[in-house]
Amino acid sequence: QKEVEQNSGPLSVPEGAIASLNCTYSDRGSQSFFWYRQYSGKSPELIMFIYSNGDKEDGRFTAQLNKASQYVSLLIRDSQPSDSATYLCAVSSSGGSYIPTFGRGTSLIVHP
Amino acid sequence: GAVVSQHPSRVICKSGTSVKIECRSLDFQATTMFWYRQFPKQSLMLMATSNEGSKATYEQGVEKDKFLINHASLTLSTLTVTSAHPEDSSFYICSAREGPDTQYFGPGTRLTVL
Repeated sequence: QKEVEQNSGPLSVPEGAIASLNCTYSDRGSQSFFWYRQYSGKSPELIMFIYSNGDKEDGRFTAQLNKASQYVSLLIRDSQPSDSATYLCAVSSSGGSYIPTFGRGTSLIVHP
Repeated sequence: GAVVSQHPSRVICKSGTSVKIECRSLDFQATTMFWYRQFPKQSLMLMATSNEGSKATYEQGVEKDKFLINHASLTLSTLTVTSAHPEDSSFYICSAREGPDTQYFGPGTRLTVL
C-alpha cells in the first residue's frame, strides 16, 4: 500500500522565519509530487509541484525532492501569519494511474 | 492555475432527501475528476474517481448506490448523495485533473443533514 507520511504538527514558527515541512513516501516509482495548502474550512489549493530531484523555487516557496531518500520538503521563507494553514503533500505515479496519495497534512502556525 | 467550481457551497437538508453536488472545470477539459470527503480536523478521503463517459471507480468502503457519480461531459461531474442521513454530513470536495497528473480542487460543499 502506498503511503505518504507527514508530521501532523503543529509546527510553530515566528513571523519572518523559515518554515520547513517534510514528507516521506513509500512508493519508489513515484513520479509527481505536490504541495497543497488548506486553510481551515476551505478546500486545498495547489502551491507547488515538482518532478525532478533538486530544488524548485517559486517566490517564498521552495520544494525539495530527493528520490533516493524518498522525501520531499517544502520551505517557506519569511513566514507570515497568513501562511498559517495545513500543508498537504501528495504523490502520484503512472503505475497508480496518477491518482495521488495524500498525506494527512502538517499544521503550520506562524505567530507574530 | 486552473479553476474548478462547485455548487452549491453549502446545503442543509432533511434526513432521507437526496442532494446533488456539481463540479465544473471552468477553463480546461478534465477527463478525470475526483470526489473527496473530509470530516472536521481529519484528512482528505478519496471517495471515487470519475472518468468522462464511463462508470466511476469507488474506493473501498464507499457505497456506490448511495453516492451516485455522473461524469457526463469533459467539464462536469455530479455527485448525488441519496437518502442522506446525519452521518453523511461532511465537507465534500471535488477536484479535476489537468494534464497527466495535476489536480485542482473545487471550493467544496458543506453538507449538513438534519
